Amino acid sequence: DGGITQSPKYLFRKEGQNVTLSCEQNLNHDAMYWYRQDPGQGLRLIYYSQIVNDFQKGDIAEGYSVSREKKESFPLTVTSAQKNPTAFYLCASGDPRDRVYNEQFFGPGTRLTVL
Amino acid sequence: QKEVEQDPGPLSVPEGAIVSLNCTYSNSAFQYFMWYRQYSRKGPELLMYTYSSGNKEDGRFTAQVDKSSKYISLFIRDSQPSDSATYLCAVASGTYKYIFGTGTRLKVLA
Repeated sequence: DGGITQSPKYLFRKEGQNVTLSCEQNLNHDAMYWYRQDPGQGLRLIYYSQIVNDFQKGDIAEGYSVSREKKESFPLTVTSAQKNPTAFYLCASGDPRDRVYNEQFFGPGTRLTVL
Repeated sequence: QKEVEQDPGPLSVPEGAIVSLNCTYSNSAFQYFMWYRQYSRKGPELLMYTYSSGNKEDGRFTAQVDKSSKYISLFIRDSQPSDSATYLCAVASGTYKYIFGTGTRLKVLA
């Protein structure tokens, strides 16, 4: 059963703590993405990765870090430097090779709440 | 000015109505146009995409793009309560980076 999984579904963190959100895909996609969704602001790109061992900052990368050691996995760490981390985090993947259009497939999301 | 503008709603319509959802964008370099549907507390799912001006139809859904006025629309015919969700437009100029609208919340009343 192909798809994207994110864990955990809900995550609570105390202020000052780092936390890592998991994203795994078995679609054999090269590209993976992390978005943040806040009410009234739509989806904003945090980081994206076009290939293993490579990633680029998106529009709101400050306070976040990522790694891409395996094609299937793209974990996101929310650090204590992120001023307002409470949000819904969405991971996506896509395969832009040899295509006019690159569809992004989304995972179910992780809701992070800072207490 | 935001690159993509979308009315957040909420929009409430009776079952069976035709729904019109709209976005405007500012950069003529955008050439791919997508509509996603997102149910509450779920990830978005792609409904339709197009890369040319004109209409594209898929069942009850029609996507319309007018590049001259930088305006994109999604029409839903014979709307159903199961269509109640947030609809997100997205635009892209290349194969990696999307710009999303804020989403319009739609409620279809039985």
